[in-house]
Amino acid sequence: GIQVEQSPPDLILQEGANSTLRCNFSDSVNNLQWFHQNPWGQLINLFYIPSGTKQNGRLSATTVATERYSLLYISSSQTTDSGVYFCAVESVTGTYKYIFGTGTRLKVLA
Amino acid sequence: SQTIHQWPATLVQPVGSPLSLECTVEGTSNPNLYWYRQAAGRGLQLLFYSVGIGQISSEVPQNLSASRPQDRQFILSSKKLLLSDSGFYLCAWSTTAWPLHFGNGTRLTVT
Repeated sequence: GIQVEQSPPDLILQEGANSTLRCNFSDSVNNLQWFHQNPWGQLINLFYIPSGTKQNGRLSATTVATERYSLLYISSSQTTDSGVYFCAVESVTGTYKYIFGTGTRLKVLA
Repeated sequence: SQTIHQWPATLVQPVGSPLSLECTVEGTSNPNLYWYRQAAGRGLQLLFYSVGIGQISSEVPQNLSASRPQDRQFILSSKKLLLSDSGFYLCAWSTTAWPLHFGNGTRLTVT
């Protein structure tokens, strides 16, 4: 099945810093989503982005489907950005199956 | 608007006891439904998914089973819990028009 790897596994930032999180996948995808898991375990949808670029406030994401990767950019980070960031993909050979990446644990220090 | 309900929020069960977790979706019809499990400090593992009533796909052979008795109801069960079944269980839904959305999860501790 499709493999989904995220990097870096852990990231510590000072408040106000910028960061880039990466998601690599091993097969062509129909869908790709980015999630933020807060300290209470809730999974919050950030972006639905099978291709192209989207922005939402301080967050933006880019997926280059032909090269099988997606990037999540966080600018001017805040302590509330702390948590774990996951990408999830639905491969073209595994319709309806959303496979999650390994996650990036982000800690933003005040 | 669409909402997903998952209960209970926390559960402590002894080894060997049965399990039943329920998930229901409102505001949409014929959703794809999913059960994921997350071990402490780990990623999300897809356990089961369903594209219609009575249609269940199992991703990982284990001590668990799933059923979909109604269009918007998804149930995760076990006849006898193992210690290794402890974890955070998350239900999710999607449709062709809507991407994956999650419930708030159930924290299961098997003692």
